[in-house]
Amino acid sequence: GQSLEQPSEVTAVEGAIVQINCTYQTSGFYGLSWYQQHDGGAPTFLSYNALDGLEETGRFSSFLSRSDSYGYLLLQELQMKDSASYFCAVRDKNTDKLIFGTGTRLQVFP
Amino acid sequence: EPEVTQTPSHQVTQMGQEVILRCVPISNHLYFYWYRQILGQKVEFLVSFYNNEISEKSEIFDDQFSVERPDGSNFTLKIRSTKLEDSAMYFCASSRDPQTMETQYFGPGTRLLVL
Repeated sequence: GQSLEQPSEVTAVEGAIVQINCTYQTSGFYGLSWYQQHDGGAPTFLSYNALDGLEETGRFSSFLSRSDSYGYLLLQELQMKDSASYFCAVRDKNTDKLIFGTGTRLQVFP
Repeated sequence: EPEVTQTPSHQVTQMGQEVILRCVPISNHLYFYWYRQILGQKVEFLVSFYNNEISEKSEIFDDQFSVERPDGSNFTLKIRSTKLEDSAMYFCASSRDPQTMETQYFGPGTRLLVL
């Protein structure tokens, strides 16, 4: 089967930098995506890595290393509104479904 | 900006009743999906739909579930006889072409509570 593991919770203060890791066991996928989900809300697409390396989108960056079966989401200049759950996800190579990670709840404190 | 919409936002039903959850995908998208999220857990894939047929379904998507695209805009998920464990948030998603880097766009969800 395919599984993606994330830390359950991360805390940080406003203005700080935080890294959310995602380790996976999967047989083949198109790329690693990151979604943000506020309580009661829908997953919102943040970032996508098709290839190894770093992708930067404003305050958010995402990294993928297929050889290490590992990726991370880096959030810089944290703001209170960044408090949410963050999910990594892969798109299965044989189908088009998204397989989500276990999710990381980020709490940002003033 | 176009978005996926879902109705109702909340649904409360009695165990054994049928429910229909409705979604309007983004208009030029061709691939449609249903996911569910039990409170506090991760998002789980239920079913994908393309060209008027199911392209894949998970083990969760048993005979009690069905999907339909009754017209050119709506995409529905029906649960024939709801169970307590069907209580969850149900998300509809759509994409233009999953073979590209096109992401899936999620609707706001329907919170289903089965009593």
